[in-house]
Amino acid sequence: EAGVAQSPRYKIIEKRQSVAFWCNPISGHATLYWYQQILGQGPKLLIQFQNNGVVDDSQLPKDRFSAERLKGVDSTLKIQPAKLEDSAVYLCASSLVWVGVGGGEQYFGPGTRLTVT
Amino acid sequence: DAKTTQPTSMDCAEGRAANLPCNHSTISGNEYVYWYRQIHSQGPQYIIHGLKNNETNEMASLIITEDRKSSTLILPHATLRDTAVYYCIVRVGSNDYKLSFGAGTTVTVRA
Repeated sequence: EAGVAQSPRYKIIEKRQSVAFWCNPISGHATLYWYQQILGQGPKLLIQFQNNGVVDDSQLPKDRFSAERLKGVDSTLKIQPAKLEDSAVYLCASSLVWVGVGGGEQYFGPGTRLTVT
Repeated sequence: DAKTTQPTSMDCAEGRAANLPCNHSTISGNEYVYWYRQIHSQGPQYIIHGLKNNETNEMASLIITEDRKSSTLILPHATLRDTAVYYCIVRVGSNDYKLSFGAGTTVTVRA
């Protein structure tokens, strides 16, 4: 079974530039997540999709970050304009179902390491 | 939302059992304990989860105390490939599947 795919793996940009990350979840997984992981910290959830609808984007800095999941499959996360503090690894994860109690473990991609200079 | 407390780091010898503690004294009755790990430069990987009873799978065992205020993840025969950051997470909310990661425990398995 193919895992969660992400691209690019690495990206270096200057502040105030824009950048986009792509994620292809495991086939059939209804729920997709984007996390931000700053060096030395655990991942922090940015946004959660159920099929192509947003379930939770309370931690997404909406003045500069946007995300979409067209057709309920692939997803893109965009940052415009980037700031120095956006330097982090951006992880995409997916899960089979959106369950009410237990289960539905998340499968993570390898992440995209973003460096903003 | 229940928070977890884990040691910052720990070492263990290759071939020996690694016991990773986690405190979650404010856990609610319907909240599960999840364990994930993150090997360097990879995304987190699901290990195991449980509610009340002890659980075992091919990767590890999870021991939850009777009062559910703490738990221990056991890696029965640690290998060098088990070197990673291990996260103990109490699932946030009752109707969704958010994961709130802390700093975790950095486990180093030494030959």
